[in-house]
Amino acid sequence: GNSVTQMEGPVTLSEEAFLTINCTYTATGYPSLFWYVQYPGEGLQLLLKATKADDKGSNKGFEATYRKETTSFHLEKGSVQVSDSAVYFCALIEGANAGKSTFGDGTTLTVKP
Amino acid sequence: NAGVTQTPKFRILKIGQSMTLQCTQDMNHNYMYWYRQDPGMGLKLIYYSVGAGITDKGEVPNGYNVSRSTTEDFPLRLELAAPSQTSVYFCASSRGQFSGANVLTFGAGSRLTVL
Repeated sequence: GNSVTQMEGPVTLSEEAFLTINCTYTATGYPSLFWYVQYPGEGLQLLLKATKADDKGSNKGFEATYRKETTSFHLEKGSVQVSDSAVYFCALIEGANAGKSTFGDGTTLTVKP
Repeated sequence: NAGVTQTPKFRILKIGQSMTLQCTQDMNHNYMYWYRQDPGMGLKLIYYSVGAGITDKGEVPNGYNVSRSTTEDFPLRLELAAPSQTSVYFCASSRGQFSGANVLTFGAGSRLTVL
């Protein structure tokens, strides 16, 4: 079956530091890949996505590239802010089956001033 | 534009009680989903629906039931609540399943405790 493995947290960084959160996946088909973010007390919201190999998703300074050869979708940001403190989830959805959504366990990021 | 609305936000149940978590979306999305999120874990799919009148099991359906009588509503029913069902429940919707349509929009969550 499909699986998503995320870098374990929690991750604590100082403001303006560089962020990488690793995500690797296994899938039988050609999935779409996503990063969702969950702020305290809220539901998940889409951060960025990529639908095919070598696509780069980007939003709010975050980037991730769909790497089929390494089955990875690592999240990066060059300079984090306190407001980026949240839980980040890597996820995949197989196109052929609406029920085949798989989420990683989430990585908690805390950014200190 | 409300998006996905879940009620209640919090609920405490006694073992053996039943309840329904309500979910409504106003985006005319065909696909709707129920997930549970246990502490420190990712989301597990309970049930999903690809349209009114059609539902299917996800990864962890035992102890739950759903119905989809309209495009907008997708209630989740818990029968005979057990402590193992203590979790945060998220409803989500999407336009479709393929690229460009499969972005999930989530509700704010319902925190359920079974004592």
